[in-house]
Amino acid sequence: DQQVKQNSPSLSVQEGRISILNCDYTNSMFDYFLWYKKYPAEGPTFLISISSIKDKNEDGRFTVFLNKSAKHLSLHIVPSQPGDSAVYFCAASDILTGGGNKLTFGTGTQLKVEL
Amino acid sequence: KAGVTQTPRYLIKTRGQQVTLSCSPISGHRSVSWYQQTPGQGLQFLFEYFSETQRNKGNFPGRFSGRQFSNSRSEMNVSTLELGDSALYLCASSFGGSNEKLFFGSGTQLSVL
Repeated sequence: DQQVKQNSPSLSVQEGRISILNCDYTNSMFDYFLWYKKYPAEGPTFLISISSIKDKNEDGRFTVFLNKSAKHLSLHIVPSQPGDSAVYFCAASDILTGGGNKLTFGTGTQLKVEL
Repeated sequence: KAGVTQTPRYLIKTRGQQVTLSCSPISGHRSVSWYQQTPGQGLQFLFEYFSETQRNKGNFPGRFSGRQFSNSRSEMNVSTLELGDSALYLCASSFGGSNEKLFFGSGTQLSVL
């Protein structure tokens, strides 16, 4: 079963506008969430994370929002730039891991920022 | 500071063969994780090693195995290759605590013919 879901396989946004990428999860034990960006032929690059004790985290143009009751998080990119065009993965980890790092990833959303 | 290094970048094998992939983590990182990426499936967790011990394991068959050496370098082995094993295999490293961001290598693209 897909515990982390990114229901939009692709998103197209104009340069300068806001990009909003969404992610839903089903496992209520997830307590840490991350967003990664991936360019072709490269490994994923960490963007931003959020702990379940927070509902918002900002880093420059990137903001992640977490709605625990809805089991939903979103990544906002403002303003969007052509270099942001990439695949974005949402990931989560749970306290049952008992230490260490085991991330559950979504299937990704291809963002295209157009001029 | 050098990033995570994976070798080789590309591999072509035939069904039934076995393959070994290598990963050198960022200096100072003691945790190495492996993920499989296939089209439409996102990244699937294979296993994590910390201080030469497997600390976490995903839901993959026993044909997939790994190990970690005292210098934190890791290898992943797949035996009796199947067509469905064709994928990008990604290695990630971290210091070894919980809820850390992982640093990924560029991956090894494995094609099984």
